[in-house]
Amino acid sequence: AQKITQTQPGMFVQEKEAVTLDCTYDTSDQSYGLFWYKQPSSGEMIFLIYQGSYDEQNATEGRYSLNFQKARKSANLVISASQLGDSAMYFCAAPVRGSNYKLTFGKGTLLTVNP
Amino acid sequence: GAGVSQSPRYKVAKRGQDVALRCDPISGHVSLFWYQQALGQGPEFLTYFQNEAQLDKSGLPSDRFFAERPEGSVSTLKIQRTQQEDSAVYLCASSSLTDTQYFGPGTRLTVL
Repeated sequence: AQKITQTQPGMFVQEKEAVTLDCTYDTSDQSYGLFWYKQPSSGEMIFLIYQGSYDEQNATEGRYSLNFQKARKSANLVISASQLGDSAMYFCAAPVRGSNYKLTFGKGTLLTVNP
Repeated sequence: GAGVSQSPRYKVAKRGQDVALRCDPISGHVSLFWYQQALGQGPEFLTYFQNEAQLDKSGLPSDRFFAERPEGSVSTLKIQRTQQEDSAVYLCASSSLTDTQYFGPGTRLTVL
């Protein structure tokens, strides 16, 4: 099955600086998608950004962008101009191999933005 | 428009009690998912509905877990004879078929 690895249990960043959260995946599927979600302390999983494996360009959504390197099987999330409200858990996710709906998640990275 | 809503937000149950967790998906979303999130972990898939049909229940941990979506909208996840290991956050998500899944705020279940 698809495996998602997030190697950074915690990250710290100064307000207004950029930060990169790492995600690597393991799949033999030719077509797949990768998702990033944010989970504040309130508990809700908030969809941030999606990257399709056949997308020619890296996905961007406001201050969020993906550094997608297909050959290295990595899909790192870049948050520019960090804000205090960005402090949260961040999860990378992808569909399980052979499924187009069953998501598997990494263990997450806890981002703390310092003033 | 309104997002996915879940109730209750918090539930404390004594071991052995039955609980029912409710999910109201985004209006018009055909697909509905339940996930279980243990403390410090990412969510894990429990079950999937397309309209009222439960197409995948491979993630349900035991036969004490039961989910339904009788009219293809609201869904209920029921846990019978709760055990301490059932303590977790239960997240519901909905989507338009295989589109992006949008999650609700979750129900935090604590079994004493």
